[in-house]
Amino acid sequence: GAGVSQSPRYKVAKRGQDVALRCDPISGHVSLFWYQQALGQGPEFLTYFQNEAQLDKSGLPSDRFFAERPEGSVSTLKIQRTQQEDSAVYLCASSPKTGLGNTIYFGEGSWLTVV
Amino acid sequence: GDSVTQMEGPVTLSEEAFLTINCTYTATGYPSLFWYVQYPGEGLQLLLKATKADDKGSNKGFEATYRKETTSFHLEKGSVQVSDSAVYFCALSAYSGGSNYKLTFGKGTLLTVNP
Repeated sequence: GAGVSQSPRYKVAKRGQDVALRCDPISGHVSLFWYQQALGQGPEFLTYFQNEAQLDKSGLPSDRFFAERPEGSVSTLKIQRTQQEDSAVYLCASSPKTGLGNTIYFGEGSWLTVV
Repeated sequence: GDSVTQMEGPVTLSEEAFLTINCTYTATGYPSLFWYVQYPGEGLQLLLKATKADDKGSNKGFEATYRKETTSFHLEKGSVQVSDSAVYFCALSAYSGGSNYKLTFGKGTLLTVNP
């Protein structure tokens, strides 16, 4: 597709349930980012991949959060044993290369509500 | 660490009014600066960017100038339209190790333009 595609767009999970959020970046994009956006806040960095290598996971809030990009294209963000504080929009973004000033393209997000 | 502070909203203007949304930043290195916009029901889109001091980014009638001496990147538009109603995010990109140039966002400013 032309843009970053995320699925599901909306997910309601019961507390304690595991969820998996998928991201299809723009074809050929080297860099892939995950961000978390709480209601009324700006996006907060979670993790970064360069191709299949996860080079930065400093933003992951706990060991319940896990991300992978095994073949350097599609990425999955997994949240285990979801808690109410995990309710947020999860944004995936990609960029054609690394480097300061590169434009980062965002998907529409996956809205997660934990009940 | 790096941070972005932007004008708290919401901002409500009449059509054709002048818009300013203030943004200041703190960064350890020499960042690139961005404005992203989020229209209702849509994902984040890059509005404009500037990569070095005194650069002016511009797009769709919006402008912002990278002011290193005041660490600011204020967004301006001379005459807003109803279609400009959206949430605006100021962001910076700075090197954070491992080829990662992650974006750090402000909290966002909701703009509503009335006819």
